[in-house]
Amino acid sequence: EAGVAQSPRYKIIEKRQSVAFWCNPISGHATLYWYQQILGQGPKLLIQFQNNGVVDDSQLPKDRFSAERLKGVDSTLKIQPAKLEDSAVYLCASSLGRLDTQYFGPGTRLTVL
Amino acid sequence: DQQVKQNSPSLSVQEGRISILNCDYTNSMFDYFLWYKKYPAEGPTFLISISSIKDKNEDGRFTVFLNKSAKHLSLHIVPSQPGDSAVYFCAASTETSGSRLTFGEGTQLTVNP
Repeated sequence: EAGVAQSPRYKIIEKRQSVAFWCNPISGHATLYWYQQILGQGPKLLIQFQNNGVVDDSQLPKDRFSAERLKGVDSTLKIQPAKLEDSAVYLCASSLGRLDTQYFGPGTRLTVL
Repeated sequence: DQQVKQNSPSLSVQEGRISILNCDYTNSMFDYFLWYKKYPAEGPTFLISISSIKDKNEDGRFTVFLNKSAKHLSLHIVPSQPGDSAVYFCAASTETSGSRLTFGEGTQLTVNP
């Protein structure tokens, strides 16, 4: 069974630029999550989708972050404009349902200069 | 407000001995707890979980203990193997938050041959 796929694996941008990350969840998984993991901290949930609807985006900085999952399968997370403090690993995870085990992708390491 | 804390950033043990990783939480509403393991350049992988109605859950070499009165849980690995060397994250959720996980900062475990 293929795992959660993410791309790119690494991205370096300058502050005020825009960046987008892509995630393809495990086939059949209805729930998709985006987490931000800052160095030395645990992952923090940014947004959770159930199929193509948003379930929880309470911790998403909506002035600069946006995410979509238009067809209920893959998802994109965008940052516009990026700030230095956005430097982190962005992890995508998926699960069969909301209360099932979450499976994580390898993450995208973002460096904002 | 760090609701889940792992106070030991690192732990080093000898192969064959027991590894004990600790986690404390402050939110009394947490009712489900998980441990994830993370290797470098990979996403976290689920290891073991425990519901608040139990005080122990065992899976092979891994046992999680929950002390609700002390708001403390621990992960025991016995015997420890070099392949167990990784970062271990404790996570918690509440019934009302559904699948939103709150992670600790992680503990780097090194098992020396």
